[in-house]
Amino acid sequence: GAVVSQHPSWVICKSGTSVKIECRSLDFQATTMFWYRQFPKQSLMLMATSNEGSKATYEQGVEKDKFLINHASLTLSTLTVTSAHPEDSSFYICSALDSLQGATQPQHFGDGTRLSIL
Amino acid sequence: GQNIDQPTEMTATEGAIVQINCTYQTSGFNGLFWYQQHAGEAPTFLSYNVLDGLEEKGRFSSFLSRSKGYSYLLLKELQMKDSASYLCAVLDSNYQLIWGAGTKLIIKP
Repeated sequence: GAVVSQHPSWVICKSGTSVKIECRSLDFQATTMFWYRQFPKQSLMLMATSNEGSKATYEQGVEKDKFLINHASLTLSTLTVTSAHPEDSSFYICSALDSLQGATQPQHFGDGTRLSIL
Repeated sequence: GQNIDQPTEMTATEGAIVQINCTYQTSGFNGLFWYQQHAGEAPTFLSYNVLDGLEEKGRFSSFLSRSKGYSYLLLKELQMKDSASYLCAVLDSNYQLIWGAGTKLIIKP
């Protein structure tokens, strides 16, 4: 149980392109999802907390107009990297919390999306 | 501020035992998680401690001392596949997860 599907797993595109990454909870409902970014040999950095039906909460230093988050249903959150540039190249990972479980549950992670901007 | 400290890198021998320490200073405490992350993959959940003491789960055990702000992950009978980063994370009073930088564990034959 508690499977999170993240798609695509790998994206290579030209500078200036917008890229959409999907995060789906397959067998549970997720009111809250998280988006992380991880650069090589560094730890996870939380970008934003996504709540179904409301605006995402962005961490300090994360541009909300560049990283658009939409959480329109209880099983899907999307992250769109707008006008991506080489410095946006990174490993993006989503995670989700089961709406029916308590606040101390572990986060369920997707497999991540490796984004490479040429 | 909130802070979690863990060693950057550790090396151990296949078949041996290794202990990865984590100390934390956070605004409140609602539990501590350990995750394993292989290179290029997402983290996978290993353990959760909210009460003092040792939790054993197969070859892996996790210990917590809330009064000392301290936890460790103990890995026994090390296997080559245990080579990974181990992330310590604390749930603070607002149920926000504060992540450590991770400990890269290198297993040598």
